[in-house]
Amino acid sequence: DAGITQSPRHKVTETGTPVTLRCHQTENHRYMYWYRQDPGHGLRLIHYSYGVKDTDKGEVSDGYSVSRSKTEDFLLTLESATSSQTSVYFCASKGSINQPQHFGDGTRLSIL
Amino acid sequence: DQQVKQNSPSLSVQEGRISILNCDYTNSMFDYFLWYKKYPAEGPTFLISISSIKDKNEDGRFTVFLNKSAKHLSLHIVPSQPGDSAVYFCAASGLGFGNEKLTFGTGTRLTIIP
Repeated sequence: DAGITQSPRHKVTETGTPVTLRCHQTENHRYMYWYRQDPGHGLRLIHYSYGVKDTDKGEVSDGYSVSRSKTEDFLLTLESATSSQTSVYFCASKGSINQPQHFGDGTRLSIL
Repeated sequence: DQQVKQNSPSLSVQEGRISILNCDYTNSMFDYFLWYKKYPAEGPTFLISISSIKDKNEDGRFTVFLNKSAKHLSLHIVPSQPGDSAVYFCAASGLGFGNEKLTFGTGTRLTIIP
């Protein structure tokens, strides 16, 4: 959907290790987002970007950082993964302010 | 503080009948509302949206109704089909610059019974 790919699709890692998730879009969209989905919580925004090098925090940003050096790529980094960050992570993008967001197929991250 | 609420975690409907999914919101600054559909192991897919200047928007079998005074919206699917079985998320935001973020509800799992 909307040319968004997430990598990896699945990852298992250990507590304390750094993890980077990648989101790549081919739509030249200005806005990009990272969400996590957990049972009973729906989708919660972690960070978002409104242009290259322009990012801002969402409602659950603690423990996460992001970078956007190119329009097409938005990286999410867990500097030191914790078990509470086990989740399914979704990336989304949109081209302009009042358009709907389009989502990638998610990354299932397990932290043991 | 859950600003967008979907109070029914699940709903079962007979094939061919109408499915009605409900969503309530508390933030009076919300002006733009969307419904997304999600299958297992896939990302959410945009379904339909409505802005606060309207009270109804229709797209084929899907209609969204907005009642601003009650801070309530609903998604009607008629007739329901087996492929409609999925989790449906309601989402909301303001309109215009400064309103780039969506707030999601917790989702309703719809099961269509053949």
